[in-house]
Amino acid sequence: DQQVKQNSPSLSVQEGRISILNCDYTNSMFDYFLWYKKYPAEGPTFLISISSIKDKNEDGRFTVFLNKSAKHLSLHIVPSQPGDSAVYFCAALSGAGSYQLTFGKGTKLSVIP
Amino acid sequence: EAGVVQSPRYKIIEKKQPVAFWCNPISGHNTLYWYRQNLGQGPELLIRYENEEAVDDSQLPKDRFSAERLKGVDSTLKIQPAELGDSAVYLCASSLGGSGFSYEQYFGPGTRLTVT
Repeated sequence: DQQVKQNSPSLSVQEGRISILNCDYTNSMFDYFLWYKKYPAEGPTFLISISSIKDKNEDGRFTVFLNKSAKHLSLHIVPSQPGDSAVYFCAALSGAGSYQLTFGKGTKLSVIP
Repeated sequence: EAGVVQSPRYKIIEKKQPVAFWCNPISGHNTLYWYRQNLGQGPELLIRYENEEAVDDSQLPKDRFSAERLKGVDSTLKIQPAELGDSAVYLCASSLGGSGFSYEQYFGPGTRLTVT
């Protein structure tokens, strides 16, 4: 049973517009969430994170929103740039557990110039 | 600051052969992780080290996989013998542990293993 779900395998967005990547989780023990970006032939790169005590965290063009009651988080990229084209992974962990990151399957974002 | 270093980047072997992957984590990072990423999937944890101690190896297939981190810095992951289903990207990651603990894990570029 997949505990972290990214239901959109791919997303295409025009340059300058907003990209919204979604992630759902089922394990109520998760209390810390991370987004990673991955380019081909490279390892995942940490992008932004959020603790369950917050509902929003912002870093430049990237904002992550967390809705605990819905067990849903989203990553907003504004404005989207061609260099943002990559696979984005949502990951979650339980701070009271083993600190094991549980990843979703990823969403491939294509930003069209 | 140098990132996580892994070698080799690519490896092609025949089934039943042994293979080893090497990882050098970010300097000062006490916690080291090995992940396996199958095609179209997210990374899955194989083993986690705190310094030289393996504190979580519950998902490591111990019949053929082994890992070590003898001096609490570099680590080696070995598969012997390799099977066709072991074809994947093997990722090493590290994070701050101890008093500077951080949840953020930093990944190396990975080793793409192909078993034929």
